[in-house]
Amino acid sequence: QQPVQSPQAVILREGEDAVINCSSSKALYSVHWYRQKHGEAPVFLMILLKGGEQKGHEKISASFNEKKQQSSLYLTASQLSYSGTYFCGTERKSGGYQKVTFGTGTKLQVIP
Amino acid sequence: GAGVSQSPSNKVTEKGKDVELRCDPISGHTALYWYRQSLGQGLEFLIYFQGNSAPDKSGLPSDRFSAERTGGSVSTLTIQRTQQEDSAVYLCASSRTSAETQYFGPGTRLLVL
Repeated sequence: QQPVQSPQAVILREGEDAVINCSSSKALYSVHWYRQKHGEAPVFLMILLKGGEQKGHEKISASFNEKKQQSSLYLTASQLSYSGTYFCGTERKSGGYQKVTFGTGTKLQVIP
Repeated sequence: GAGVSQSPSNKVTEKGKDVELRCDPISGHTALYWYRQSLGQGLEFLIYFQGNSAPDKSGLPSDRFSAERTGGSVSTLTIQRTQQEDSAVYLCASSRTSAETQYFGPGTRLLVL
């Protein structure tokens, strides 16, 4: 089952903050976040493991609430370079495998 | 070290022809994924290989699609009797284990005329 991301798209002015949410209907082992710039392959941002920890990467951080099966990605003081599509990937057991399934993505555009 | 490589980078083919797409994962990575991405869309899971286990083929859209992974390393995605709706970017990713970072290749852009 594909995780659900919201919002589908967001436009920010430089310096503004944004939150991207990712939720699953199934129990999760971990949540992965990736960013894909136009015409490029997705690039890893961070992995959050069970335990509800919050991780950070520059001004981008994320949290994982395993009870609610939700993760949120926080972008603070956004920069033009943050523009791209953000994907969450949820890891869970499926048919004997532990597999990562990606959401539909959130298109983020940062404008001057 | 070298990242994930894919070939060809671009492929134009005629409807009805077969195509083979190749992925060279990072050495030592046991997990390998194939995804399809249509223009402006998300990552559509196709198939997943984990070590020597039987692959998870649940994402393959039809029996025209198949993939194999030889010796736990190189993988080939084959599309038989291509259709115009098969046009997309096909991305391959590998990771040390299923729980770790996926490293994506640059993709193969397939155009079916």
